[in-house]
Amino acid sequence: QQQVKQSPQSLIVQKGGISIINCAYENTAFDYFPWYQQFPGKGPALLIAIRPDVSEKKEGRFTISFNKSAKQFSLHIMDSQPGDSATYFCAAGNEETSGSRLTFGEGTQLTVNP
Amino acid sequence: DTGVSQNPRHKITKRGQNVTFRCDPISEHNRLYWYRQTLGQGPEFLTYFQNEAQLEKSRLLSDRFSAERPKGSFSTLEIQRTEQGDSAMYLCASSLDPWYNEQFFGPGTRLTVL
Repeated sequence: QQQVKQSPQSLIVQKGGISIINCAYENTAFDYFPWYQQFPGKGPALLIAIRPDVSEKKEGRFTISFNKSAKQFSLHIMDSQPGDSATYFCAAGNEETSGSRLTFGEGTQLTVNP
Repeated sequence: DTGVSQNPRHKITKRGQNVTFRCDPISEHNRLYWYRQTLGQGPEFLTYFQNEAQLEKSRLLSDRFSAERPKGSFSTLEIQRTEQGDSAMYLCASSLDPWYNEQFFGPGTRLTVL
């Protein structure tokens, strides 16, 4: 019930391409879905987040698509750049049923080749 | 204020020893979280404070683990009688109400138990 499944584990794209990372969740009570970016030796940093009252949110080159009926959400990185090479984590949370904790996916290691 | 700070950044200890980590959250942030991250995995929730009150603890937090947040400011995480399985990155995050506001992560403390 608390799991968040993320795919793929690793992703290699060319500069300028589109990177797509997918997540699926089980707990229908989740109502907050952030994506975090983590560089080696650093803590995760929030990239973009969505709540289920909208199906899509865009911030610059980053877009979250959310499908409530399928219990899936995805991150799209447009015009991927070598500086985007990092590990990306999806997460989900709900204060009422899981406190304030975030449940994270396993992570996707993105490599953007120049 | 430059963000969440954690000390030490690295800790190497022998099995059976006690260790204590410190987290200084962003000023005014009333919520503080501890997560544990092992290599190649997403962060796993350990415990959560709202001001000085510890409101939630994960089942991952065995009785060898204890956390405090005196006066609702900095927090400490102590691990007693360390085991090799405790080797991980321990991450602290802080946020403001409401609960779905961004959790800002520190750089983490990497623990190695020999």
